[in-house]
Amino acid sequence: AQSVTQLDSQVPVFEEAPVELRCNYSSSVSVYLFWYVQYPNQGLQLLLKYLSGSTLVKGINGFEAEFNKSQTSFHLRKPSVHISDTAEYFCAVSVTSYDKVIFGPGTSLSVIP
Amino acid sequence: NAGVTQTPKFQVLKTGQSMTLQCAQDMNHEYMSWYRQDPGMGLRLIHYSVGAGITDQGEVPNGYNVSRSTTEDFPLRLLSAAPSQTSVYFCAASEKGAGNTEAFFGQGTRLTVV
Repeated sequence: AQSVTQLDSQVPVFEEAPVELRCNYSSSVSVYLFWYVQYPNQGLQLLLKYLSGSTLVKGINGFEAEFNKSQTSFHLRKPSVHISDTAEYFCAVSVTSYDKVIFGPGTSLSVIP
Repeated sequence: NAGVTQTPKFQVLKTGQSMTLQCAQDMNHEYMSWYRQDPGMGLRLIHYSVGAGITDQGEVPNGYNVSRSTTEDFPLRLLSAAPSQTSVYFCAASEKGAGNTEAFFGQGTRLTVV
């Protein structure tokens, strides 16, 4: 069965600094990977997804993620964060198009003015 | 655009009471699912449906029932609420399978069982 690990439960970072949120997954077969963001008191929305092709995936709000098959990782990065990026970020994995999506525990990003 | 609508937004129940959390979507998406969100545990799948008349269990189905009589609606029923079911519940809808398409989430229902 697939699983997702997000090692950092909380990441504080100063405004305009770069940030990397880490995600590792376990699966014996090829996977689809997602990053979702949850702003306070809201539902989740998709930031970006990797299905196939280029390992560098660009998403909304200036975020990008790189799929590394050998390290089973899908880390999320942004070169310069804003106060508005303060939110909870979830990494997720699935195996097939009709498979269940499994979410990681989440990383709380706090941007400090 | 409404997307996925959940009602109610907040609910307090006494142990042993029953209730139904409503979820409706106006996107004509086949796949719908229910998650619960607990601190430090992310989202855990309760039940899901790949189309009207078809439902299946997720990771944490015990204590919850679902049905899918129409494409639009996917209610979640708690038959006898327990304090362990205190959580934030999210409904999601996606076109065809959820595995490779974007899931659209509702705003959530915050449930407290006392």
